[in-house]
Amino acid sequence: AQKITQTQPGMFVQEKEAVTLDCTYDTSDPSYGLFWYKQPSSGEMIFLIYQGSYDQQNATEGRYSLNFQKARKSANLVISASQLGDSAMYFCAMRDYMIYNQGGKLIFGQGTELSVKP
Amino acid sequence: DGGITQSPKYLFRKEGQNVTLSCEQNLNHDAMYWYRQDPGQGLRLIYYSQIVNDFQKGDIAEGYSVSREKKESFPLTVTSAQKNPTAFYLCASSMVLVRSVGQPQHFGDGTRLSIL
Repeated sequence: AQKITQTQPGMFVQEKEAVTLDCTYDTSDPSYGLFWYKQPSSGEMIFLIYQGSYDQQNATEGRYSLNFQKARKSANLVISASQLGDSAMYFCAMRDYMIYNQGGKLIFGQGTELSVKP
Repeated sequence: DGGITQSPKYLFRKEGQNVTLSCEQNLNHDAMYWYRQDPGQGLRLIYYSQIVNDFQKGDIAEGYSVSREKKESFPLTVTSAQKNPTAFYLCASSMVLVRSVGQPQHFGDGTRLSIL
């Protein structure tokens, strides 16, 4: 069955430093997509970055990059130059082709709470 | 601006009462979803719809009902059969592209439901 695992319930990082949030996934489907979302305390889910299983390069979006290691089934989010506004819950999510055929839902991990210290 | 609007932001339910959460989108997305989030947890799918007048149960549909009479609207009713409704409810939408797993879901700001 498809599964997302985020093993870090909470993390601290000093402002202006880089931080890596871990995500491992499990699927037997060769076609899948991996997503990262940010959830501030206000509750909305903000889409950050996407990586496709067939993408040759790691995805980047501004200060966000995705360290995609396919053989290890990991898709870690790297935030460079952390800012106080980065303090939030971060969720890793996945959709594979089987899920796509069943309505396209996202499978979410438990999340990592990031706190940025001034 | 295009987006997803959920209302109300906060909702209180009395015992034996049904309540309805509103979700409206103007992104012209075909697919819409309802998720439930409990404290410190990830999101779990309640219902989804990929086309008007059709919807499917998700992983935790018991005690909930939905309708999809218009493309833009996907209201969720929490019925009295849902014995533990206190949670944060998020509505999402996405495009549906043939053979594409890469469409992100866009979310509303959520509704916090509590029992009185």
